[in-house]
Amino acid sequence: DIVMTQSPDSLAVSLGERATINCKSSQSVLYSSNNKYYLAWYQQKPGQPPKPLIYWASTRESGVPDRFSGTGSGTDFTLTISSLQAEDVAVYYCQQYYIPPRTFGQGTRLEIK
Amino acid sequence: EVQLVQSGAEVKKPGESLKISCKGSGYNFISSWIGWVRQMPGKGPEWMGIINPADSDTRYSPSFPGQVTMSVDKSINTAYLQWSSLEASDTAMYYCARQVNGGYFDVWGRGTLVTVSS
Repeated sequence: DIVMTQSPDSLAVSLGERATINCKSSQSVLYSSNNKYYLAWYQQKPGQPPKPLIYWASTRESGVPDRFSGTGSGTDFTLTISSLQAEDVAVYYCQQYYIPPRTFGQGTRLEIK
Repeated sequence: EVQLVQSGAEVKKPGESLKISCKGSGYNFISSWIGWVRQMPGKGPEWMGIINPADSDTRYSPSFPGQVTMSVDKSINTAYLQWSSLEASDTAMYYCARQVNGGYFDVWGRGTLVTVSS
C-alpha cells in the first residue's frame, strides 16, 4: 500500500495568516501517460463528511475559495490556505488515488491561534 | 443536485448481521463507481473499496479481507455494504462516496454510524 504521511499533526495559525499543510507519499502518484498527480485534499469539520477541496494535486473543486491552493511534485505535496478564516478550522486529509487501496493521510488539525 | 443519501444509524450486538444503504440521485447512477470509507472514532478515513453500479464489479481493500460485502441494485440507484457477523471493532462511521476523475471522491453521503456493543 502507498503510505501517506502528513505534517504537522496539528497547526495553530492566526486569522488572516497563511497555513501550510504537507503530505508525503511513500511512492510516486504520478501517472506518466497523462502527467497527472493522483492526489486529493479534503476538509472535514466535526459531524460532517470529508469535503473535497482539491484533486489532481492542484485543481480546486467547484465552489472552493481561491485562498485554498494545492502544489507539489514527486512525492511531496502541500495544501496552502493563503489567509486563514474562522470557518477553515477543520481536519485536513490528503489522499492518493493512484492505486487501490486509495489511502488517506492521518490528518492535520488546523486551529486558530 | 447530486446526492448520496445513506440509511440511518444502527446499534447491533456482536455476531449480528447488518446491511446499510446509499441511494444516489441527481446523476446517472451507473456512470460512476461508488466507494465505501470507514472512519473509526477520532481517526482518519480508510478506503474500504469500490463497486461499479453498471456491472457490480468490485475492488476491495486488502485491509478488509472478507469482512464486508459490497453490492448494488441499479434498478433503485442504491449501493449496499453488509456484514454477516459484526464485531465490536466494526464500530465506526461509514461513508459512501461517488468516484470520478480516476479515483477521487467528489460527492459524499452524510454517513451511517454503526455501533456494535453487547
